[in-house]
Amino acid sequence: RKEVEQDPGPFNVPEGATVAFNCTYSNSASQSFFWYRQDCRKEPKLLMSVYSSGNEDGRFTAQLNRASQYISLLIRDSKLSDSATYLCVVNMASGGSYIPTFGRGTSLIVHP
Amino acid sequence: DGGITQSPKYLFRKEGQNVTLSCEQNLNHDAMYWYRQDPGQGLRLIYYSQIVNDFQKGDIAEGYSVSREKKESFPLTVTSAQKNPTAFYLCASNPGLRYHRSGNTIYFGEGSWLTVV
Repeated sequence: RKEVEQDPGPFNVPEGATVAFNCTYSNSASQSFFWYRQDCRKEPKLLMSVYSSGNEDGRFTAQLNRASQYISLLIRDSKLSDSATYLCVVNMASGGSYIPTFGRGTSLIVHP
Repeated sequence: DGGITQSPKYLFRKEGQNVTLSCEQNLNHDAMYWYRQDPGQGLRLIYYSQIVNDFQKGDIAEGYSVSREKKESFPLTVTSAQKNPTAFYLCASNPGLRYHRSGNTIYFGEGSWLTVV
C-alpha cells in the first residue's frame, strides 16, 4: 500500500467551478502536512500548509482530518491559471526521522 | 536571497558514465533530500541526509551515491549501475529533525534534467 495516496485525475473543470482533492496517508505518527503545486517541467512550490483547524488562503482551503488520516484541498472559483498538478506531502515518521513523502499528484485542468 | 541551487539544469550522459548533480543551499537547513521524478509520476526518494556526515538510503537508492561533507552541499552521483537514469532530479531541504512540527516546510531547487544518450 502506497504511503500517501491521491487520485491522479485529471480533474477537468470549467472556469469558476469548485473542485476538491483528497489525499490519504498510512502512518498515523505523521507530522506536518502540505499541499504543493507543480507546473509542467518545473519544481514543486508550496501552496499551503495544512492544519487540523483548517486554513484558508483566498480561494484555497485546506483541511486535515487526523482521525481518518486524510487531507483535503478545496479550490473555489477556479481560474485557468490553476491548471497544474497538486501534490500532497506528509512528513512521515520513519526510524526517528520525519521524511517528506509525496503522493503522485492530482492533475487539474481548468478550461474556458 | 536564500534558496537551493541545482546544477546543471540539463545534462546528457553516455552509457557507462558516472555523472554528478550539484545541490547547494544557503537556508541553514539541516536536512537535505534527493528525489527522482519520471513523466506522469510522483516524487520518489533516492537519498536523504538529516545532518552533516550522515545520509540514509531512500526508496530507490540503487545506482546512486551521495555525500554530505558540508551542511550546504549534498551532491548526487548517478553511477553506471543505474540502468534507467533518464529523469527529472529534484534536490530539497528543510530545517530537519529539530523542527518536525508544522513549520517544517520543504524547499526545492529548480531541478536537473538528465538524459542518457
